Amino acid sequence: DGGITQSPKYLFRKEGQNVTLSCEQNLNHDAMYWYRQDPGQGLRLIYYSQIVNDFQKGDIAEGYSVSREKKESFPLTVTSAQKNPTAFYLCATQGRDRGYNEQFFGPGTRLTVL
Amino acid sequence: RKEVEQDPGPFNVPEGATVAFNCTYSNSASQSFFWYRQDCRKEPKLLMSVYSSGNEDGRFTAQLNRASQYISLLIRDSKLSDSATYLCVVNPYHLTGGGNKLTFGTGTQLKVEL
Repeated sequence: DGGITQSPKYLFRKEGQNVTLSCEQNLNHDAMYWYRQDPGQGLRLIYYSQIVNDFQKGDIAEGYSVSREKKESFPLTVTSAQKNPTAFYLCATQGRDRGYNEQFFGPGTRLTVL
Repeated sequence: RKEVEQDPGPFNVPEGATVAFNCTYSNSASQSFFWYRQDCRKEPKLLMSVYSSGNEDGRFTAQLNRASQYISLLIRDSKLSDSATYLCVVNPYHLTGGGNKLTFGTGTQLKVEL
């Protein structure tokens, strides 16, 4: 099946721990994005990557890190420096199949800091 | 002023009704526009893309008014399954230009009732 997978679906973390969220895609899309969503707020961009081995900070990158070693994978690490990490994390991809720029989302990871 | 503004609702409508949502955006140079649907605790899913003055897909019609900087979504013959949050999304960059960062509204909640 073609698509975007994120794991785990639910993640619980103790304060002070780093955790890594997985995002994998087999859509052959060049661009990948990480967002967080909090209740009552729109999606906010954390990091994005338009090509392998390159990525840029989004609007709220502090306390997060990413890597893009493979086209298919864009893992997000939530570090202990992130002050309020409890949120719904969404990974998205964007292709150039039709010259358009719609983004498609994975099912998300719910992170809770205990 | 927020970059993308939506009435949060909720809009409570009876099954079979017609309902319309508006969304305003602040960047007059914005080039592409989308409506996404998000079910409770799920990822956003692309509903419609709006690239010209508007387009129609079955019971759904999206319209774009560049002069007034708003996008609308019209749903005819509402179904119970239409209950969801509808996100207005704007790309401030031209399709062929650099950057593919999307700006998300906070969403309008629709509840369709018997």
